[in-house]
Amino acid sequence: GENVEQHPSTLSVQEGDSAVIKCTYSDSASNYFPWYKQELGKGPQLIIDIRSNVGEKKDQRIAVTLNKTAKHFSLHITETQPEDSAVYFCAASKGTYKYIFGTGTRLKVLA
Amino acid sequence: DAGVIQSPRHEVTEMGQEVTLRCKPISGHDYLFWYRQTMMRGLELLIYFNNNVPIDDSGMPEDRFSAKMPNASFSTLKIQPSEPRDSAVYFCASSPPGGGSNEQYFGPGTRLTVT
Repeated sequence: GENVEQHPSTLSVQEGDSAVIKCTYSDSASNYFPWYKQELGKGPQLIIDIRSNVGEKKDQRIAVTLNKTAKHFSLHITETQPEDSAVYFCAASKGTYKYIFGTGTRLKVLA
Repeated sequence: DAGVIQSPRHEVTEMGQEVTLRCKPISGHDYLFWYRQTMMRGLELLIYFNNNVPIDDSGMPEDRFSAKMPNASFSTLKIQPSEPRDSAVYFCASSPPGGGSNEQYFGPGTRLTVT
């Protein structure tokens, strides 16, 4: 079955710097890759997603890139702010509702 | 919209007791998911429903776990009997009609502690 690996498990950056989180997946049939942000005591919330027919997608300070050949995708956050501190999860899906989540990255933005 | 509603938010019970977690999906959503989150295993899909019918329950860990969706606005996840290793945060999520790439809206979760 699908396996999603996520790195790093923790990441600390200075406010204003960029943060990059990377995920790799094993099933080449996966074609949908969402990223979720989970704040303390809350459920995960979708922040950006990408489909396999697109190589990059941006939404303000957040971008996601996908390399289908290498089977990896990355989340890029620029100009980080304290409110970006949270746990971020990547996921992969074969176009069904069955998402396989990565193990999460705890991002800490230092003021 | 109030979002996905889960109750209780916290549950502490003793080993061997029955536990029932409840979920009200967002109105109009026809997909409902139950997830379990632990430090060791991360976020795992247990089961999901479409139009109140279970579609995939391959993530349900044991026969002690069961889930029902009697109508479009209510679902339960039951653990009987509960064990300490069931301690986790259980999330319910819902999704609107459409293809498999629609956003899943998560509830706030139920933190279950089994002593």
